Amino acid sequence: SQQGEEDPQALSIQEGENATMNCSYKTSINNLQWYRQNSGRGLVHLILIRSNEREKHSGRLRVTLDTSKKSSSLLITASRAADTASYFCATGNQAGTALIFGKGTTLSVSS
Amino acid sequence: NAGVMQNPRHLVRRRGQEARLRCSPMKGHSHVYWYRQLPEEGLKFMVYLQKENIIDESGMPKERFSAEFPKEGPSILRIQQVVRGDSAAYFCASSPFGIDTGELFFGEGSRLTVL
Repeated sequence: SQQGEEDPQALSIQEGENATMNCSYKTSINNLQWYRQNSGRGLVHLILIRSNEREKHSGRLRVTLDTSKKSSSLLITASRAADTASYFCATGNQAGTALIFGKGTTLSVSS
Repeated sequence: NAGVMQNPRHLVRRRGQEARLRCSPMKGHSHVYWYRQLPEEGLKFMVYLQKENIIDESGMPKERFSAEFPKEGPSILRIQQVVRGDSAAYFCASSPFGIDTGELFFGEGSRLTVL
């Protein structure tokens, strides 16, 4: 079953704008991860935030985590056409054996 | 350091044939995960293996699907008697320690088309 669910399903913005994607999950977590997938390619890890962290930055990426609401957000600032991709959040399953992915947010950045 | 290598990248099979997908994890990685992705969908976990052992196969269909990760050589996902519903992209990922300690490294996937 799905652990993480991203929102919105699709997002279209102009270059230079910020993009915000949200993720909700159901059970307690040790960490939450965000991945990017370009069309026809494999997933690439973007950032990991641990359950005791509230915010984390990596370049133009900012991730927040609210464990009380069981939600996370990924903010991409000053977006570029190259940011066009699908973005997935992932958390561990209850057995702690695998990452479970949401259905993703498809981001389209036009120049 | 080469990344996760999957082959073949594209595979076409007729209904009833067998499909074998191979995955070589990154050097030093002993944890391997297989996922399936349908068009416009997220990844569905299938199986988690460590060398010679299946740790979690809760996402594997009960019939026709099997996976192995032998002591020597790549991990193999085998689909017997394929049906059209098996058409999907199959991704392999590896990690050095398991999911709680860090990221998964993904291959580029094997795209199976069943005619």
